[in-house]
Amino acid sequence: KNQVEQSPQSLIILEGKNCTLQCNYTVSPFSNLRWYKQDTGRGPVSLTIMTFSENTKSNGRYTATLDADTKQSSLHITASQLSDSASYICVVSSPTGGGNKLTFGTGTQLKVEL
Amino acid sequence: DVKVTQSSRYLVKRTGEKVFLECVQDMDHENMFWYRQDPGLGLRLIYFSYDVKMKEKGDIPEGYSVSREKKERFSLILESASTNQTSMYLCASSLRGGTNEQFFGPGTRLTVL
Repeated sequence: KNQVEQSPQSLIILEGKNCTLQCNYTVSPFSNLRWYKQDTGRGPVSLTIMTFSENTKSNGRYTATLDADTKQSSLHITASQLSDSASYICVVSSPTGGGNKLTFGTGTQLKVEL
Repeated sequence: DVKVTQSSRYLVKRTGEKVFLECVQDMDHENMFWYRQDPGLGLRLIYFSYDVKMKEKGDIPEGYSVSREKKERFSLILESASTNQTSMYLCASSLRGGTNEQFFGPGTRLTVL
């Protein structure tokens, strides 16, 4: 069964600190992996996308890594800000006959405090 | 800028009522999706559509139906709302092909009493 597991479930860090969120998946075949940020009361917004051949992708203070061999990804947030408080969702895409099927993780809830 | 809008942010309905959730996208995307999001379960796909008048069941279609009469509009219908349909409903759209990035609306928080 295709699954995406994220850890930790929740995390509290102080403003200015770094953190790393983890994503392990069993989805096969693999098309791409995205990290989404979802602010409270809003829809998810894509942060990064990585295909099989990419092992790192940055978007400002967000850096995602992918190890396709071990089926693991991480999202590193540098110099956290209060606005980083959100849920971060790992999503793996798998090709199907008609397009792509997405498998969503349950997210890591990050809270950045002063 | 892609914009996906949903007709209501919050909705309260009674058990047995027929509920319509509307979604409109303005970027001429072929694909549209309806998800529900519940704590600890992540996003689960209810229905999707690859073209006008076309619909496909997702992972949890029971108790729901959809309508896509125009390319920009995708409606989710709860024929007879039940309390276990209380949830956050998210609509998304994407281009056909490419990286298939899905752009999400703000969500509708539906409470069924």
